Amino acid sequence: GQNIDQPTEMTATEGAIVQINCTYQTSGFNGLFWYQQHAGEAPTFLSYNVLDGLEEKGRFSSFLSRSKGYSYLLLKELQMKDSASYLCAVRAPYSSASKIIFGSGTRLSIRP
Amino acid sequence: EAGVTQFPSHSVIEKGQTVTLRCDPISGHDNLYWYRRVMGKEIKFLLHFVKESKQDESGMPNNRFLAERTGGTYSTLKVQPAELEDSGVYFCASSQEGVGGYTFGSGTRLTVV
Repeated sequence: GQNIDQPTEMTATEGAIVQINCTYQTSGFNGLFWYQQHAGEAPTFLSYNVLDGLEEKGRFSSFLSRSKGYSYLLLKELQMKDSASYLCAVRAPYSSASKIIFGSGTRLSIRP
Repeated sequence: EAGVTQFPSHSVIEKGQTVTLRCDPISGHDNLYWYRRVMGKEIKFLLHFVKESKQDESGMPNNRFLAERTGGTYSTLKVQPAELEDSGVYFCASSQEGVGGYTFGSGTRLTVV
């Protein structure tokens, strides 16, 4: 079966750092994605991890530990526009174009 | 490049009617996916096309849903007859195998009344 857990809501302050955690138990692993989704808009690709370690892309970084079934998304220098839902998703194992399975998402609110 | 385009953006229909959603993927993307988000729940996979072939339709809820991708370009998702529980946002995504992430469209918000 597939189970992806992440906190439902988080709040952080403008200019600060926030870490959004994701744990997964899936039958097979073929990469983990983070997406950002503003209300009423399309999910937007943020990052992809397939090997253990940290991937950094500007203000956003994503970490993966396959042995622990754990990932986090780190957002630095928070801006008001970062208020959005952040979706953790795991790709099914059969190919590099397999379906991705989403967690319920973490709604992040940024306060001034 | 143009993104993934979905039409219509909103649709309100009565229970028992038929609705057809359309998705135009990014040009050159062989892989096309349909997903659905029901209120308060996670985005759930419906099916995956590779060109015109259905690679994985394990998420299709029942036989009231029919997806097609004739010619391997755009895709349609038909719901017939629609039920109240079909309400939600239907997302389409496309990808090029082995390259980057999956690009999503803005979705079609379907309301069945």
